[in-house]
Amino acid sequence: QQPVQSPQAVILREGEDAVINCSSSKALYSVHWYRQKHGEAPVFLMILLKGGEQKGHEKISASFNEKKQQSSLYLTASQLSYSGTYFCGTAFRGGSTLGRLYFGRGTQLTVWP
Amino acid sequence: DVKVTQSSRYLVKRTGEKVFLECVQDMDHENMFWYRQDPGLGLRLIYFSYDVKMKEKGDIPEGYSVSREKKERFSLILESASTNQTSMYLCASRHPLGELFFGEGSRLTVL
Repeated sequence: QQPVQSPQAVILREGEDAVINCSSSKALYSVHWYRQKHGEAPVFLMILLKGGEQKGHEKISASFNEKKQQSSLYLTASQLSYSGTYFCGTAFRGGSTLGRLYFGRGTQLTVWP
Repeated sequence: DVKVTQSSRYLVKRTGEKVFLECVQDMDHENMFWYRQDPGLGLRLIYFSYDVKMKEKGDIPEGYSVSREKKERFSLILESASTNQTSMYLCASRHPLGELFFGEGSRLTVL
């Protein structure tokens, strides 16, 4: 049930762009994105509920391709504050997994000055 | 301000001890979760609760139990701690619109 995230790690210079992908083997109901800084709790970035939905949050945006059962997180003109581990969380339609949110293994993003 | 509070940030226990991890939320959320976080494995769901006294097993419930006697409190219990339960434990509650709010985490070391 765990979604697959790629890449596992990304190293960027300030101002560079990055894309983090999240894919599932099951049909998705929703996709969540969270960021966790070292020693802190994960913090919600955004949730996508509909296929084709795109959302933005400052220079961080995401898309949800329901047909391909995947989501992508886009970080543009990265800042030092973007460093952390990014997790996608997925929820599935109905059945025994109703109500559960499954997280990927995370993508560690490091931004250097 | 939204708050999920976990009772202990750091615990050290001995093998075989009973361990209680407490989580309290002040947002009147119905859904609460316990996750375990290990390096390279992400967050794995142990148990979740969708209402008072209601609970469902997650992916890794073995060796754990939970209690939800009141809406605001969700407890994780390790009946007999083992060294392979050394980990970071994260509690979360879910807003009706879907967002999860996490506690600061409880880092448990079992010797």
